[in-house]
Amino acid sequence: SQTIHQWPATLVQPVGSPLSLECTVEGTSNPNLYWYRQAAGRGLQLLFYSVGIGQISSEVPQNLSASRPQDRQFILSSKKLLLSDSGFYLCAWSVLGGEQYFGPGTRLTVT
Amino acid sequence: AQSVTQLDSQVPVFEEAPVELRCNYSSSVSVYLFWYVQYPNQGLQLLLKYLSGSTLVKGINGFEAEFNKSQTSFHLRKPSVHISDTAEYFCAVSGGPYNFNKFYFGSGTKLNVKP
Repeated sequence: SQTIHQWPATLVQPVGSPLSLECTVEGTSNPNLYWYRQAAGRGLQLLFYSVGIGQISSEVPQNLSASRPQDRQFILSSKKLLLSDSGFYLCAWSVLGGEQYFGPGTRLTVT
Repeated sequence: AQSVTQLDSQVPVFEEAPVELRCNYSSSVSVYLFWYVQYPNQGLQLLLKYLSGSTLVKGINGFEAEFNKSQTSFHLRKPSVHISDTAEYFCAVSGGPYNFNKFYFGSGTKLNVKP
């Protein structure tokens, strides 16, 4: 069966520090991969999605970036965090014509 | 682009009462429809999906939803709720078989089941 992992589960970082969140998927090949952010009390905001290795589509201009170095690995990064980057970050995957499956999420607090 | 509207941000309901969470989407072209549930500090879990076929879809935990193409709606229902159903519920739409890359989510409805 398929499994999606995210780490770390929680993270507290100072403003201006770098960020790296990792997401890996097991049990499927060539998935579509997604990064979402939930700000407190808000819905899901799509940040990036990827249909293949090295293929990244950005949905919202910001100081975040994403990379997909391997088929089932998706990384969210920032060189310098802002207070507004705080939130709950969710990774998800899907296959052609199907539903999305979500990881457990990373709670990021920027102080 | 699609848009998804969940008109009710919060729905309070007593235990064992029926509930309906409303969802409307913008486009009448072929789409896939989903409902997800999110418990605090967790990821989203798929409740049910409509890809094709019968317009009445049954999901986990006793939930069901009805696809209404003419009204572009996909309302979620449960005939008798439990305390454990307290969570946030998200409606989502994808572009169907020709635009499967992107999913559009509603802003969520918080269901609060009271004893």
